[in-house]
Amino acid sequence: EAGVTQSPTHLIKTRGQQATLRCSPISGHTSVYWYQQALGLGLQFLLWYDEGEERNRGNFPPRFSGRQFPNYSSELNVNALELEDSALYLCASSLGTGTDYYGYTFGSGTRLTVV
Amino acid sequence: KQEVTQIPAALSVPEGENLVLNCSFTDSAIYNLQWFRQDPGKGLTSLLLIQSSQREQTSGRLNASLDKSSGRSTLYIAASQPGDSATYLCAVRSFSGGYNKLIFGAGTRLAVHP
Repeated sequence: EAGVTQSPTHLIKTRGQQATLRCSPISGHTSVYWYQQALGLGLQFLLWYDEGEERNRGNFPPRFSGRQFPNYSSELNVNALELEDSALYLCASSLGTGTDYYGYTFGSGTRLTVV
Repeated sequence: KQEVTQIPAALSVPEGENLVLNCSFTDSAIYNLQWFRQDPGKGLTSLLLIQSSQREQTSGRLNASLDKSSGRSTLYIAASQPGDSATYLCAVRSFSGGYNKLIFGAGTRLAVHP
């Protein structure tokens, strides 16, 4: 069974540009979660998508957005990049709402560097 | 509001020692608790998942216990090896702020030296 896949592995952008990160969940998983892990900091919850809908978002500005496609893959967009957006972005998938007893499976992450 | 705390923040031990990593959470109304391993700059690898109705889970040299009523979990690593060096994260899945979410502790950074 393929795990959660994220692309690209690394991304270098200039301040003010836009970044797009992609995530493919495990087959059968309908929920996708995005987390940010800045250097030396813990995992901060960004966004949760389930069945194509945004269900919840963390305490991040609106320039962090995303979407979930009909095949349950997801995209995270970060507009007007700032230096402090440099971080490891992790995607996780899980069986959807109503199946709260299942765990999360994480991908390997995308390392975003803003210069 | 659910908060997860891990102690110690860092641990350095010689190879072969048995280890205990601690995790505590403030709200006992959880669905489950997961222990993850993270190597530097990498993603998270799930080690053990304990449902709220369970007391412990075992996988190889790893054993995790859960005492939901007291808000505590421990991860026991037997006969530690240099390859166990990583950051270990505890996370609880609970209903917080109106949503079902996974909330992480800050992690325990483990170094096992030969």
